[in-house]
Amino acid sequence: QKEVEQNSGPLSVPEGAIASLNCTYSDRVSQSFFWYRQYSGKSPELIMSIYSNGDKEDGRFTAQLNKASQYVSLLIRDSQPSDSATYLCAVKKGSNYQLIWGAGTKLIIKP
Amino acid sequence: GAVVSQHPSRVICKSGTSVKIECRSLDFQATTMFWYRQFPKQSLMLMATSNEGSKATYEQGVEKDKFLINHASLTLSTLTVTSAHPEDSSFYICSAREAGEQFFGPGTRLTVL
Repeated sequence: QKEVEQNSGPLSVPEGAIASLNCTYSDRVSQSFFWYRQYSGKSPELIMSIYSNGDKEDGRFTAQLNKASQYVSLLIRDSQPSDSATYLCAVKKGSNYQLIWGAGTKLIIKP
Repeated sequence: GAVVSQHPSRVICKSGTSVKIECRSLDFQATTMFWYRQFPKQSLMLMATSNEGSKATYEQGVEKDKFLINHASLTLSTLTVTSAHPEDSSFYICSAREAGEQFFGPGTRLTVL
């Protein structure tokens, strides 16, 4: 079992709809979770961090964390073609702030 | 978010030469920086963790004598790929830790001929 798992996709969503990206993790004691967006040929960009159970909203993005189910998700409302990218889920490991990465989900927003 | 720069953005070199990549935190001090490598259509692979003033910690399978890391100041870490070969061609990305989050540089695309 991988430490951080994501569906590789591609996930195709029509423009204006809600895109839902999911991630599960295996280490029950994990406390810090991150979503990054990576456009093709570019480096990752931090979108959201979440540390507590529940929802965290930032503009069109909402991160959801359920530690009991070891599940973290990212919702993108009013999806735009510019949201088309690979979304990486990462979980902090250890005291040196290393991140364990999921393989990423490729999201395609169809105009 | 915090800003991290990388230089050069792209480099082409001959086999056997060494290449140095710089990673700078521009508006914050980074005690910890990370170096990643990413091959086409693959996920990020952590190469090493760099702590200011101490030796880098390399991940399993990464040759420390081939990938030299120096983190001499709180705003600069360098990665030197020594005696580069075509199989070292990849996208090298650094990140810096600030307030519990990692911020990435724009990456360096290395092509070894």
